[in-house]
Amino acid sequence: NAGVTQTPKFRILKIGQSMTLQCTQDMNHNYMYWYRQDPGMGLKLIYYSVGAGITDKGEVPNGYNVSRSTTEDFPLRLELAAPSQTSVYFCASSSHDGNPYEQYFGPGTRLTVT
Amino acid sequence: DQQVKQNSPSLSVQEGRISILNCDYTNSMFDYFLWYKKYPAEGPTFLISISSIKDKNEDGRFTVFLNKSAKHLSLHIVPSQPGDSAVYFCAASGAGGTSYGKLTFGQGTILTVHP
Repeated sequence: NAGVTQTPKFRILKIGQSMTLQCTQDMNHNYMYWYRQDPGMGLKLIYYSVGAGITDKGEVPNGYNVSRSTTEDFPLRLELAAPSQTSVYFCASSSHDGNPYEQYFGPGTRLTVT
Repeated sequence: DQQVKQNSPSLSVQEGRISILNCDYTNSMFDYFLWYKKYPAEGPTFLISISSIKDKNEDGRFTVFLNKSAKHLSLHIVPSQPGDSAVYFCAASGAGGTSYGKLTFGQGTILTVHP
């Protein structure tokens, strides 16, 4: 049981490039989330999903897109990367059967945009 | 607008003593509160939670206290151990509806427990 896995661990992008951050969970959780953490700040919700085919915006969605075609996967797409998107990105999941607030986090992807 | 605030960026405590981490919130619609713990290069892990219908929840060495009138919660760790050294995040959520499962996090407090 790997929990929540994220790839890549690190990435450097040039301004204007695009990339997809991958997230997979093997706990059969319905809920999945993407957060970003800037230095000295808390985690901010980018997008979330309550099930396959259903996604919605969080607090800071601009510059990002998501899709949820399966229960397991919740990729985050960055289009036209900007220096303001330099951050650590965390994917998380939680169960609709148990406590949805008890979220399980992946190890994070550290992204630098230069 | 920071709805969840942890005003102490860091806290240093001697092993065996009590650690008290504080958190304030402004949104009166929040009714479920959690603490997460984060080690470097890892994702946060859930530690303990409390519903707004309670004022205290205990789990081993960890106790969370909620003061709704003051919009304040605190995490007590007794006794503190060096392995508790980490960043602690306070988080809050509203009940059901569109906020179901969505969390608002504080900025975090770095706890250092000295042997």
